[in-house]
Amino acid sequence: EVQLVQSGGGLVQPGGSLRLSCVVSGFTFSSSWMSWVRQAPGRGLAWVASINQDGSQVSYADSLKGRFTISRDNVKNSLHLQMNSLRVEDTAVYYCAGGGSSSWSYWGQGTLVTVSS
Amino acid sequence: EVVLTQSPGTLSLSPGERATLSCRASQSVTSNFLAWFQQKPGQAPRLLIYGASSRATGIPDRFSGSGSGTDFTLTISRLEPEDFAVYYCHQYSSSPITFGQGTKLEI
Repeated sequence: EVQLVQSGGGLVQPGGSLRLSCVVSGFTFSSSWMSWVRQAPGRGLAWVASINQDGSQVSYADSLKGRFTISRDNVKNSLHLQMNSLRVEDTAVYYCAGGGSSSWSYWGQGTLVTVSS
Repeated sequence: EVVLTQSPGTLSLSPGERATLSCRASQSVTSNFLAWFQQKPGQAPRLLIYGASSRATGIPDRFSGSGSGTDFTLTISRLEPEDFAVYYCHQYSSSPITFGQGTKLEI
């Protein structure tokens, strides 16, 4: 059974930091392109960042460059998103996604990040 | 940036009817790296179609995708009650990866 189990969300003040994690099982993580996608309350889906199989290639949404960092640990089958200098507008449910024929087949359960004072 | 425009914004249909959802790209989506997702309230998105026309594992054959270049369509041949949800198209052929704004399929 494929599982992507997310952790690390919560309430943080503006300017603060959070690290999201996504632990994968049930498919070959080290062979899979992985991504983070977010969804602000009542809004649509927005791509955050992606990372290739060995972590040598990363890409980010332009508005997030310099504040967010995607990384992976292929030994621990885990994906991470380090979020710094958080803003109110970063409030969203964050999903990890990857694997399968298209690299978008499997999704985590989502974790809520709330940026508020 | 490839902007994806979905239409209609809301589609009101009844179970048993046929649904046709459109996704238009501002630039050609190369190699048909176009996918469709279904999302229900409080749930993660579910991949339905990838490569414009390939059904994901476990997706019923009433769901089909078609199109190429800049015009893509998701068709649900006969709506089941569980199909009423929000549908997003998504391109992963060029960075930044983008999603359409969604079509809400309501009863």
